[in-house]
Amino acid sequence: GNSVTQMEGPVTLSEEAFLTINCTYTATGYPSLFWYVQYPGEGLQLLLKATKADDKGSNKGFEATYRKETTSFHLEKGSVQVSDSAVYFCASGLLIQGAQKLVFGQGTRLTINP
Amino acid sequence: SQTIHQWPATLVQPVGSPLSLECTVEGTSNPNLYWYRQAAGRGLQLLFYSVGIGQISSEVPQNLSASRPQDRQFILSSKKLLLSDSGFYLCAWSPGLAGGLDIQYFGAGTRLSVL
Repeated sequence: GNSVTQMEGPVTLSEEAFLTINCTYTATGYPSLFWYVQYPGEGLQLLLKATKADDKGSNKGFEATYRKETTSFHLEKGSVQVSDSAVYFCASGLLIQGAQKLVFGQGTRLTINP
Repeated sequence: SQTIHQWPATLVQPVGSPLSLECTVEGTSNPNLYWYRQAAGRGLQLLFYSVGIGQISSEVPQNLSASRPQDRQFILSSKKLLLSDSGFYLCAWSPGLAGGLDIQYFGAGTRLSVL
């Protein structure tokens, strides 16, 4: 079946550090890939997405590239801010019977210290 | 614009009591609707999804059920809660674009504690 594995946290960085959160997937077919972010006490918000191999999703300084050869979708940001502290979820999605069925990784808690 | 509402935000229930969590979507019609659970320290698990009124698909057999009595209303229920039902429950909707990218948008969630 489909699965997503992402880097275990928690991850603690200083402000302006470089961030990488690894994510790999297994899937039958060709899934779309997503990164969602969950701020404390809130639901999930879509951060970025990619729908096919070599696509790069980007938003708010975050980037991730859909790598079919390594089945990966690593999240990166060149200079993190305190406001980036949150839990980040990688997900793969396949459209089945009219519904986008998402499979999530376990989440990575990121804390940015000033 | 579309909005999704979930309530209540927090809930404390005794073991064996019933449960009803409600989710409604505004500003769209015939959305796909989803219920997820996030257990402590774990990722999200899809519980149910619905592509139309009265159409419910269950992903994980368990103590919960879902219903969709109206186009934009999705209800998660239980007749008797277990301790293991504790968690953060999230409702989501998506436009249901056949053959295209179908992005899910999440509500703020309900934190359920079963004691």
